[in-house]
Amino acid sequence: AQSVTQLGSHVSVSEGALVLLRCNYSSSVPPYLFWYVQYPNQGLQLLLKYTSAATLVKGINGFEAEFKKSETSFHLTKPSAHMSDAAEYFCAVTFSGGSNYKLTFGKGTLLTVNP
Amino acid sequence: ETGVTQTPRHLVMGMTNKKSLKCEQHLGHNAMYWYKQSAKKPLELMFVYNFKEQTENNSVPSRFSPECPNSSHLFLHLHTLQPEDSALYLCASSQGETAAGGYTFGSGTRLTVV
Repeated sequence: AQSVTQLGSHVSVSEGALVLLRCNYSSSVPPYLFWYVQYPNQGLQLLLKYTSAATLVKGINGFEAEFKKSETSFHLTKPSAHMSDAAEYFCAVTFSGGSNYKLTFGKGTLLTVNP
Repeated sequence: ETGVTQTPRHLVMGMTNKKSLKCEQHLGHNAMYWYKQSAKKPLELMFVYNFKEQTENNSVPSRFSPECPNSSHLFLHLHTLQPEDSALYLCASSQGETAAGGYTFGSGTRLTVV
């Protein structure tokens, strides 16, 4: 069965500092991996996705993530945090083959950016 | 505009009321989903529809009744709700059998049960 684990329910950084949000997955077949962002009282917005092409994926708002099969990880990074990055971030996985139609989401990581 | 539209954005209802949430997508997606998001809890998948057929019901209480008349529209009918049903209800859609392209979410309906 597929699953994702997001390490740290809350991450706090200073403005201008590196953002690192961790995600590890479990999947017995090649995964498709996603990062979503959610601002208060909004839906989830797709930041980026890995679908077996380049292992380093660039997304919107300066975020990127690297797929590391050996570590079963898909961590999200941004070199310099901005106040507007404060939000909740969700990692999600589905897998190639099968017909289950759905993503499995992590529990989310709340990012706080301090001035 | 996210491509998935949910109405209303906010809803306050009494425990004896009947109301409906609406979700509409014009992205040509075949699958649609209802999620419940409560404070300090993980996202809870409620229902999955593929080509308007229900493919998953995650033991949701019968006071929540979904309806999917076609691949573009999804409803959630609510009746005799409880205060613990207060939450953000999210609709999403996807294309293909594995959702490999990810979901497109609506902005959600903030439901308060009084």
